[in-house]
Amino acid sequence: GAVVSQHPSWVICKSGTSVKIECRSLDFQATTMFWYRQFPKQSLMLMATSNEGSKATYEQGVEKDKFLINHASLTLSTLTVTSAHPEDSSFYICSARDSAGGETEAFFGQGTRLTVV
Amino acid sequence: GQNIDQPTEMTATEGAIVQINCTYQTSGFNGLFWYQQHAGEAPTFLSYNVLDGLEEKGRFSSFLSRSKGYSYLLLKELQMKDSASYLCAVMDSNYQLIWGAGTKLIIKP
Repeated sequence: GAVVSQHPSWVICKSGTSVKIECRSLDFQATTMFWYRQFPKQSLMLMATSNEGSKATYEQGVEKDKFLINHASLTLSTLTVTSAHPEDSSFYICSARDSAGGETEAFFGQGTRLTVV
Repeated sequence: GQNIDQPTEMTATEGAIVQINCTYQTSGFNGLFWYQQHAGEAPTFLSYNVLDGLEEKGRFSSFLSRSKGYSYLLLKELQMKDSASYLCAVMDSNYQLIWGAGTKLIIKP
């Protein structure tokens, strides 16, 4: 299957700082990328959907000024958590799909565990 | 509204067979996915059904009935490493994935 690489795998940051998480599709063009957040013992919660070259579509309740998403190329999307607070501590997962190729399956990155102290 | 239901937790014995059910109500249907997720890791793809019937892949099989809004994941010859959460997800008419809460499967020796 296709490979999606997410970096970093884990990060600890101080409250008030910003953290950038990268998501790369290594062997296909990711026309659509999804960012999820998962709290312990809960299912994936979609935060936003981004299509290459256009603004991300955020789910209700997700602050777009706090969670900045950039999908500037067909192989890279970034999520920046700005002014992070302890309540932002979570597992963040990206997934990518080659929707232009008619593929419906989405491939997941390894996830990033963010801890804000 | 859109809804995916699956049991919260199941327990099974090593070497046995277990069936994890998933029922759904979504606006449109473009396929149903099953993912496996070990604690602290991202989900990994198991199966995709878009037509009615059974899809078999090694020890894992997945069944779909679109008229009933129902799917199940069947795991045979259970191994301890199969202890994980199993997520059912449906792709709706907008090609968005709607996720179930996951079923935590506990395998006992």
